[in-house]
Amino acid sequence: AQTVTQSQPEMSVQEAETVTLSCTYDTSESDYYLFWYKQPPSRQMILVIRQEAYKQQNATENRFSVNFQKAAKSFSLKISDSQLGDAAMYFCAYRRINAGNMLTFGGGTRLMVKP
Amino acid sequence: GAGVSQTPSNKVTEKGKYVELRCDPISGHTALYWYRQSLGQGPEFLIYFQGTGAADDSGLPNDRFFAVRPEGSVSTLKIQRTERGDSAVYLCASSRGSGGNNEQFFGPGTRLTVL
Repeated sequence: AQTVTQSQPEMSVQEAETVTLSCTYDTSESDYYLFWYKQPPSRQMILVIRQEAYKQQNATENRFSVNFQKAAKSFSLKISDSQLGDAAMYFCAYRRINAGNMLTFGGGTRLMVKP
Repeated sequence: GAGVSQTPSNKVTEKGKYVELRCDPISGHTALYWYRQSLGQGPEFLIYFQGTGAADDSGLPNDRFFAVRPEGSVSTLKIQRTERGDSAVYLCASSRGSGGNNEQFFGPGTRLTVL
């Protein structure tokens, strides 16, 4: 079974600064997807960024980028120029390619942004 | 186009009662997922539908939990003889297809409280 671990229950960043959220996972698969989701107090999960394991290039979406280390099974999220609206719970998630389509989530990291 | 909607937003019930939670997916989305998110944790997979049939129900915790999707659109999660441990946010997600490349769009969830 796949597991996803987020070792930082809470992180804090100053507005306009950069913060990195950590995620590690365990799988015996060679191909899969990895995701970062944002969950504000409204509870609705919002996809932030996605990485296909077969792609060596790290995914980027505007101020959000990942550092994907396949051999180390590590998938961290970097948020640049942090904004007050970035404050939320962030969840790392894993999804198999072909057999089963459910997401396996980590325990989450609460990000606080200080003005 | 409307997103995924879930009703009710909040549900309070007494131990032993029966509850139904409803999910309206995005129009045209054939895949539908239910997740349960306990306080302070990441969501956990319950069941996944492709069309009208449950393609994977391996996440349902016991036989008190049941879900249907009779016409391949709206889904209802049914919980019999509720227990205090069932208290959680129940999230629904839908995607255009079941392939791994299809993004899952989440609803705002139903917060269930069992007294």
